[in-house]
Amino acid sequence: KAGVTQTPRYLIKTRGQQVTLSCSPISGHRSVSWYQQTPGQGLQFLFEYFSETQRNKGNFPGRFSGRQFSNSRSEMNVSTLELGDSALYLCASSPTTSRETQYFGPGTRLLVL
Amino acid sequence: GNSVTQMEGPVTLSEEAFLTINCTYTATGYPSLFWYVQYPGEGLQLLLKATKADDKGSNKGFEATYRKETTSFHLEKGSVQVSDSAVYFCALSSTGNQFYFGTGTSLTVIP
Repeated sequence: KAGVTQTPRYLIKTRGQQVTLSCSPISGHRSVSWYQQTPGQGLQFLFEYFSETQRNKGNFPGRFSGRQFSNSRSEMNVSTLELGDSALYLCASSPTTSRETQYFGPGTRLLVL
Repeated sequence: GNSVTQMEGPVTLSEEAFLTINCTYTATGYPSLFWYVQYPGEGLQLLLKATKADDKGSNKGFEATYRKETTSFHLEKGSVQVSDSAVYFCALSSTGNQFYFGTGTSLTVIP
């Protein structure tokens, strides 16, 4: 089975722009979670989607949003980028039968200049 | 609230040395506990997990025991290899599938 894929792998944007990141979960997985990883804050939970519905949300401003499509693929959008948004954004998928086991993608590294 | 605290790194060991990475947690209810590993340039991989008190998770020579009385889940390996060099994350999952991660401990094993 193919693993979790994320596109693009690297991205450079400037302050004020917006960005959309994509995540394709493992086939058959319906739960997708997003995390922000930075050296200072570590891994922080952004949100989780299951069957196209946001099920959990972390403590991030409204500039961070996401959605999930009927094929379980998910996108994350960040509007009005700030320098502090520079991070590795990780996506993880979980099988319906074992929601606690998360499989992570390689991440998208975003640099905001 | 829920949180995970793990020992600061970086940790540098010689090959075949004994490894311990400490992890303690604060949680409401009865969380599941995990260790994830991140190799350079890759995403996180599940290393082991334990879902209830006194459970021992093990994989690839690594072990961790869920200790409710000390709220700990320390990672151990009897003899590390160069290929174990990576960043290790302790995590807990609360009700509702929300994960909380520690800040990670970088391990370098030298030959």
